[in-house]
Amino acid sequence: DADVTQTPRNRITKTGKRIMLECSQTKGHDRMYWYRQDPGLGLRLIYYSFDVKDINKGEISDGYSVSRQAQAKFSLSLESAIPNQTALYFCATSDPTGRQPQHFGDGTRLSIL
Amino acid sequence: DQQVKQNSPSLSVQEGRISILNCDYTNSMFDYFLWYKKYPAEGPTFLISISSIKDKNEDGRFTVFLNKSAKHLSLHIVPSQPGDSAVYFCAASKTSYDKVIFGPGTSLSVIP
Repeated sequence: DADVTQTPRNRITKTGKRIMLECSQTKGHDRMYWYRQDPGLGLRLIYYSFDVKDINKGEISDGYSVSRQAQAKFSLSLESAIPNQTALYFCATSDPTGRQPQHFGDGTRLSIL
Repeated sequence: DQQVKQNSPSLSVQEGRISILNCDYTNSMFDYFLWYKKYPAEGPTFLISISSIKDKNEDGRFTVFLNKSAKHLSLHIVPSQPGDSAVYFCAASKTSYDKVIFGPGTSLSVIP
């Protein structure tokens, strides 16, 4: 079983819809992250959380919100999806000791029509 | 403005030869650097890292070189194998505990 699991793996939806992407991890890491990948831009940080009570904005948080329901679960929501949010989304975790770099899920491919 | 740059979007190398992937950064506060490899339909996986107290770190066929004065690092893969064909992301952070900033990636093709 994967250490970092993202659901769904693929999603097609319409402009204006509310979307939730979910991430769960079995690594026991406190830190969790949401990134999006766009061609030519690499991965950009949307939100990150260092523990259950901690939520921080990343580089591109506008139009997104997150919820850290438990140490193992971190969900990303698009309240009203727009076409330029079409991208590949990755959840990641890291250990607070800093010795372990981030571990990624396999991604969610989101298309907004 | 991108703080981590990978100016070659793609690179092709013959099997058995050396692959050299380059990365430049602009933020002098960056002190910890990482390389990730990504196959299609999978998430990135950590490959190798280096902190600024070193100028070289080696792990098997993979070596990362850091030139802080030039704000430049490179990843060498010797010898290159077809299974190395993937997108390689350079990333940097201010410490090994801080969030990382990723470059746009270089797609490496190793030709048999």
